[in-house]
Amino acid sequence: GAGVSQSPRYKVAKRGQDVALRCDPISGHVSLFWYQQALGQGPEFLTYFQNEAQLDKSGLPSDRFFAERPEGSVSTLKIQRTQQEDSAVYLCASSLAGTTNEKLFFGSGTQLSVL
Amino acid sequence: SQQGEEDPQALSIQEGENATMNCSYKTSINNLQWYRQNSGRGLVHLILIRSNEREKHSGRLRVTLDTSKKSSSLLITASRAADTASYFCATGYSGSARQLTFGSGTQLTVLP
Repeated sequence: GAGVSQSPRYKVAKRGQDVALRCDPISGHVSLFWYQQALGQGPEFLTYFQNEAQLDKSGLPSDRFFAERPEGSVSTLKIQRTQQEDSAVYLCASSLAGTTNEKLFFGSGTQLSVL
Repeated sequence: SQQGEEDPQALSIQEGENATMNCSYKTSINNLQWYRQNSGRGLVHLILIRSNEREKHSGRLRVTLDTSKKSSSLLITASRAADTASYFCATGYSGSARQLTFGSGTQLTVLP
């Protein structure tokens, strides 16, 4: 595809439900990032993949958050037992090689609302 | 936690005026990037300036970087209503797998 694609665009979950957010990066991009963006704030780093390897997951807020990229392309961010504080926009981004001095290409995000 | 802090948090100007946004950061960087985000959309890369550069231009955008003051500015000249968006600076660190750490953003409103 031409850009980074995320689905669903909007997700409403009841507290305690599990959710899965999908990211399709730009074809051939090695690096994939997940960010969490609260209303009125900048994106906060969650986790980073280089191909299928999760090299950094230090930004995941709790063990209820889990991300995978099993074949080095599509990635899924899973949140178990959702809480109200998980409500945010989840942004996925990819970059070509994962080196410094590279720009990131972002998807439009998934807006998660936990009721 | 966020590395960069943009100033001002919000800016409202008339079409045709110039808009200046500032970004300060705390630690040494490899590069600094500016991104734009329209409401409800993802971020779009605008410009990247490396730590050994002092100024860069791209169309109506001018970015400066002062590593001694750990600050950067983004100037948008001859603003248009379509420039209305949030603008974020993001810093990159050599050897960091995280690539970029974002600031809290400046909300720019350009009035027609």
